[in-house]
Amino acid sequence: SYELTQPPSVSVSPGQTARITCSGDALPKQYAYWYQQKPGQAPVLVIYKDSERPSGIPERFSGSSSGTTVTLTISGVQAEDEADYYCQSADSSLHVVFGGGTKLTVL
Amino acid sequence: EVQLVESGGGLVQPGGSLRLSCAASGFTFSSYWMSWVRQAPGKGLEWVANIKQDGSEKYYVDSVKGRFTISRDNAKNSLYLQMNSLRAEDTAVYYCAQCGYSYGPFDYWGQGTLVTVSS
Repeated sequence: SYELTQPPSVSVSPGQTARITCSGDALPKQYAYWYQQKPGQAPVLVIYKDSERPSGIPERFSGSSSGTTVTLTISGVQAEDEADYYCQSADSSLHVVFGGGTKLTVL
Repeated sequence: EVQLVESGGGLVQPGGSLRLSCAASGFTFSSYWMSWVRQAPGKGLEWVANIKQDGSEKYYVDSVKGRFTISRDNAKNSLYLQMNSLRAEDTAVYYCAQCGYSYGPFDYWGQGTLVTVSS
């Protein structure tokens, strides 16, 4: 079955830039989406169609794509950005697939 | 304001059944694909099933095929998940989510309902 691979954890100091990657063979053909989930809360969409930002999401969140890897970048990380981040895309049958998630720690 | 409110979770024995409901408001329910996504305790997100606007197409993750049934009632702005032959590995928080297409994205999520399968 199709898999999206994310690093289990990323750590950055406040004010630095965090980059979270997501790799998958079908990513050159399918859009990627990113979700932020804080403890005890439902996920929130932060990036859609690889690099678009929904209204209400801070500008420090951005997305990019290169080949089989997509990247969520958080510039000027703040303490409130500490959360789990999940990438999501689709397999060849256009069924939903989630990455395993990345825990972002703000030191 | 978009609202999705799940209900119906609880404790059930292995092999038992449960029906989850999701009440939607704040948007034209009949215009959107809808999905169920679950999260086992301490684990990541797993898509479970989704259903087309008119109910004519339904898709499931392999692990629930033949056991779970997704359905919707557009007149009642409601989404359902009938879960039969439940297993311990089905224990999770189940989220209802609005999606733009069959493959996502999930624009809005409910707060989830916990299903615990245990004897």
